[in-house]
Amino acid sequence: DTGVSQNPRHKITKRGQNVTFRCDPISEHNRLYWYRQTLGQGPEFLTYFQNEAQLEKSRLLSDRFSAERPKGSFSTLEIQRTEQGDSAMYLCASSQLAGGNTDTQYFGPGTRLTVL
Amino acid sequence: ILNVEQSPQSLHVQEGDSTNFTCSFPSSNFYALHWYRWETAKSPEALFVMTLNGDEKKKGRISATLNTKEGYSYLYIKGSQPEDSATYLCAPFLGGAGSYQLTFGKGTKLSVIP
Repeated sequence: DTGVSQNPRHKITKRGQNVTFRCDPISEHNRLYWYRQTLGQGPEFLTYFQNEAQLEKSRLLSDRFSAERPKGSFSTLEIQRTEQGDSAMYLCASSQLAGGNTDTQYFGPGTRLTVL
Repeated sequence: ILNVEQSPQSLHVQEGDSTNFTCSFPSSNFYALHWYRWETAKSPEALFVMTLNGDEKKKGRISATLNTKEGYSYLYIKGSQPEDSATYLCAPFLGGAGSYQLTFGKGTKLSVIP
């Protein structure tokens, strides 16, 4: 399977703990995106990488959140000092640099975070 | 805040019925519109990318139209089947040059009753 993969699929943590999620994009895709979906909402954009460069960040990405893509391949999203409001589905997507805004973003299955 | 509205929020149809839902979005700064289907416990699946006013795309029993001047898109499903049960999300590109973020609506949850 050469789709986008995310690990773990589920994470339960206690408030105040740090968590890290991993995303492995489709191998030849140089763009990688993170989105978050909370209950009753559509996915909301968090950040975007082109190769290893983080080019766009949402105001939703507070200073407790950090994302990296060190070698332009997989990416990690870390949340420090988790809060109950961080409970959500975290989605990763990747796309290939081609037509810009018409490029299809291919999504992974997501990591569901529950903060107790 | 860019407002993307989808209606209805949910609907139940009988197997074999045809159905349609709406996505409305700000018509200024429009670049493209993406439709996704998201089944429970699976990855969102890309259905269509639409760019031009009057665009019509088709994939099997599913089709979509686009009106960029008035800011809406319709998704049609002909002869609904239980496997069509999913949440259908629309996501226009509204961010302007150099932005690649999709702005999703809340989705329409479709349940097809056998």
